Amino acid sequence: AQSVTQLGSHVSVSEGALVLLRCNYSSSVPPYLFWYVQYPNQGLQLLLKYTSAATLVKGINGFEAEFKKSETSFHLTKPSAHMRDAAEYFCAVTIQGYQKVTFGTGTKLQVIP
Amino acid sequence: DTEVTQTPKHLVMGMTNKKSLKCEQHMGHRAMYWYKQKAKKPPELMFVYSYEKLSINESVPSRFSPECPNSSLLNLHLHALQPEDSALYLCASSQDPRGTDTQYFGPGTRLTVL
Repeated sequence: AQSVTQLGSHVSVSEGALVLLRCNYSSSVPPYLFWYVQYPNQGLQLLLKYTSAATLVKGINGFEAEFKKSETSFHLTKPSAHMRDAAEYFCAVTIQGYQKVTFGTGTKLQVIP
Repeated sequence: DTEVTQTPKHLVMGMTNKKSLKCEQHMGHRAMYWYKQKAKKPPELMFVYSYEKLSINESVPSRFSPECPNSSLLNLHLHALQPEDSALYLCASSQDPRGTDTQYFGPGTRLTVL
């Protein structure tokens, strides 16, 4: 079965600093990987998605993630944090032919002014 | 329109009540999902409907009863719930009932069981 591990349940960065949220996956077949963001009292919104087309995936709000097979990682980055980026971020994985998505435990991003 | 709507936004119910949650999408999506999310936890899948038929039931207690009246609507009927069922209930939809397809989430219904 496939799974994802998000390292760090809480990450704090200063406004304007680099954002790095870590996600490692486990899958015996090529995975499809997602990053979702959840703002307080809201549903989840897709930031970006890896489908094997390109290893560097650009998403919304200036976020991007790089698929590294050798490291089984799919870390999320943003060059410069904004206050509005404060939210919960979930990494998720699935595989071709499987109907379910497996979510990681989430990382809460705090942005300090 | 890439919106999934959910009503009500908040619901408080007693353990003997019967209530329903409603979810609607007008994107022509053929798969719809119910998730339960407890505080500070990821969403947990409850049910999946593919082409208006129940395709996945994650061993959810029978006090939760899903219904898909048509391709745009998904209901979750609640009866005799327990306080531990208090959570955020999220509905989602996707174009295709494949996990690889992007799921669009609604804002959720915050349920409190007294």
